[in-house]
Amino acid sequence: SQQGEEDPQALSIQEGENATMNCSYKTSINNLQWYRQNSGRGLVHLILIRSNEREKHSGRLRVTLDTSKKSSSLLITASRAADTASYFCATDVMDSSYKLIFGSGTRLLVRP
Amino acid sequence: SAVISQKPSRDICQRGTSLTIQCQVDSQVTMMFWYRQQPGQSLTLIATANQGSEATYESGFVIDKFPISRPNLTFSTLTVSNMSPEDSSIYLCSVKEGEKLFFGSGTQLSVL
Repeated sequence: SQQGEEDPQALSIQEGENATMNCSYKTSINNLQWYRQNSGRGLVHLILIRSNEREKHSGRLRVTLDTSKKSSSLLITASRAADTASYFCATDVMDSSYKLIFGSGTRLLVRP
Repeated sequence: SAVISQKPSRDICQRGTSLTIQCQVDSQVTMMFWYRQQPGQSLTLIATANQGSEATYESGFVIDKFPISRPNLTFSTLTVSNMSPEDSSIYLCSVKEGEKLFFGSGTQLSVL
């Protein structure tokens, strides 16, 4: 079952602007991860934030996590046309077995 | 990080037939996962395939429709049986390394 809802569903920005995507989830998690998908193909892992962390940075990416609100955000700074892709949050739910549940995704278009 | 080869990359099939998708990993991995991504949608977990045990299917997916083999630690297959147009999707295999998932490039299936 789908765990996370993301907004916006689609985002169009100019190159150089920042892009912010939000993810909400329903159950307790071990960690939350963000993935990127180009052209409906394989996903690539971007960043992982643990449930006891509030913020994490990796290059132009900044992720925040608010476990009280069960929400996360992904910020891409100084966007480039090559950042055009779909972005998914994924939650590692607290369960007896490992399971990564993906959110609904945000389609990002960065205009040159 | 694991390198995953998935084939075929795409196929067009007639309804009522079956298609077997192969996933080859360049290293030994314990946990492999099969996901489905319907057009314009997020990823839905079909099943978890661990070597030496029966695959564990998620709600809404059954072994008769999606039989999975996992003969060793580097290989798995997913069969989509008795296909209908509703099975048209991208099918993705993935492996767990640490806390992250690594994905194959996906199989785009169209059923006529």
